Amino acid sequence: EVQLLESGGGLVQPGGSLRLSCAASGFTFSSYGMIWVRQAPGGGLEWVSAITGGRSITYYADSVQGRFTISRDDSKNTLYLQMNSLRAEDSAIYYCAKDLAVTGTPPALDYWGQGTLVSVSS
Amino acid sequence: QSVLTQPPSVSAAPGQKVSISCSGSSSNIGKNGVSWYQQLPGTAPKLLLFENNKRPSGIPDRFSVSKSGASATLGITGLQTGDEADYYCGTWDSSLSAWVFGGGTKLTVL
Repeated sequence: EVQLLESGGGLVQPGGSLRLSCAASGFTFSSYGMIWVRQAPGGGLEWVSAITGGRSITYYADSVQGRFTISRDDSKNTLYLQMNSLRAEDSAIYYCAKDLAVTGTPPALDYWGQGTLVSVSS
Repeated sequence: QSVLTQPPSVSAAPGQKVSISCSGSSSNIGKNGVSWYQQLPGTAPKLLLFENNKRPSGIPDRFSVSKSGASATLGITGLQTGDEADYYCGTWDSSLSAWVFGGGTKLTVL
């Protein structure tokens, strides 16, 4: 059974940092691309970042480019999101999700974690 | 402003059919297709449909999708109260090198 379990969320002051983790199990983690998606309270889904399987090519939304870093440790089956210079508008539930296909095509996210809440406030 | 455009809300009576549109462009839906997600209140999104009307196991065939060019439509037949949720379309945009989602559509089963 595929499971994704996020952790690391919490309350942080503006300008602060957090590192989110997503522990994966039930599939060959190293082969699959993974992404982070966030959802502000009452809002829609917003893509944050993606990392491919294999070569670990990374992609970022403009809103987090230069502040967030996505990474993966395939030996630990864990995905990370290092978030620096946090702003109030980064407050959201952060979900990790798994690419359906090893190749990333077709684009579909077949498993999602339960999310971890990040609140940025003074 | 989302890259993919969805209506904010739709509603229909139990047993009826509803359609939710998702409009994109040649660099996203037109090139890569679209996937659909259901988000029940207080839960994480769940994959409903992808590629050419493919469904993960456990998703009933009451849910279907049609695609034409850079647009797609999610259809739900035999509406049930348990279908009340937010529905999102999403795909990879090859020009932006980014995942893009629609703004979401809230389905109300009256």
